[in-house]
Amino acid sequence: SQKIEQNSEALNIQEGKTATLTCNYTNYSPAYLQWYRQDPGRGPVFLLLIRENEKEKRKERLKVTFDTTLKQSLFHITASQPADSATYLCALLNTGGFKTIFGAGTRLFVKA
Amino acid sequence: DTAVSQTPKYLVTQMGNDKSIKCEQNLGHDTMYWYKQDSKKFLKIMFSYNNKELIINETVPNRFSPKSPDKAHLNLHINSLELGDSAVYFCASSQERLATHNEQFFGPGTRLTVL
Repeated sequence: SQKIEQNSEALNIQEGKTATLTCNYTNYSPAYLQWYRQDPGRGPVFLLLIRENEKEKRKERLKVTFDTTLKQSLFHITASQPADSATYLCALLNTGGFKTIFGAGTRLFVKA
Repeated sequence: DTAVSQTPKYLVTQMGNDKSIKCEQNLGHDTMYWYKQDSKKFLKIMFSYNNKELIINETVPNRFSPKSPDKAHLNLHINSLELGDSAVYFCASSQERLATHNEQFFGPGTRLTVL
């Protein structure tokens, strides 16, 4: 069955460092991969999309890579700030599909 | 200006009761969704409607019935509530766009507690 795995442990990093979050998937060939941010008590908020034919996508301090051979995406936050502390969800979609499969998320804590 | 709104935010009820959660979006999107987020934080899709038509119905008990009176609304009715239904339910909407492909906008969630 389709499976998405994200770092189950929380990630603790110091302010100013780069946070790297991992998303691995099996039994799936997504056409698109998205990353969302979720704060406690709130709904997820869309951050970035990367397509299967793209290796890397950047937006301000965020960078996403997508390796369809390894079936893995890495999500980087450079120069991290305490305000970046949240849970980050990886999501997969197939072509023309309305069905998005979400990972359980990785909780990130950035210490001042 | 709330983009996707849900009511109520909290719902505490007894087993066996019937309850509804309402969702409205003012973004002009043509696709709406219901998700369930359990205690382990997995966000699982339940239903998706496109232009008021059901297009995704994941393995959800018949006790859950979505209703879309128009493109801006997708309500969720739950019959005979069970303890296992306790979770946070999120409504979301999207509009297909080349740049962001099905970026979803989520509501604030409804925390349902079944006693």
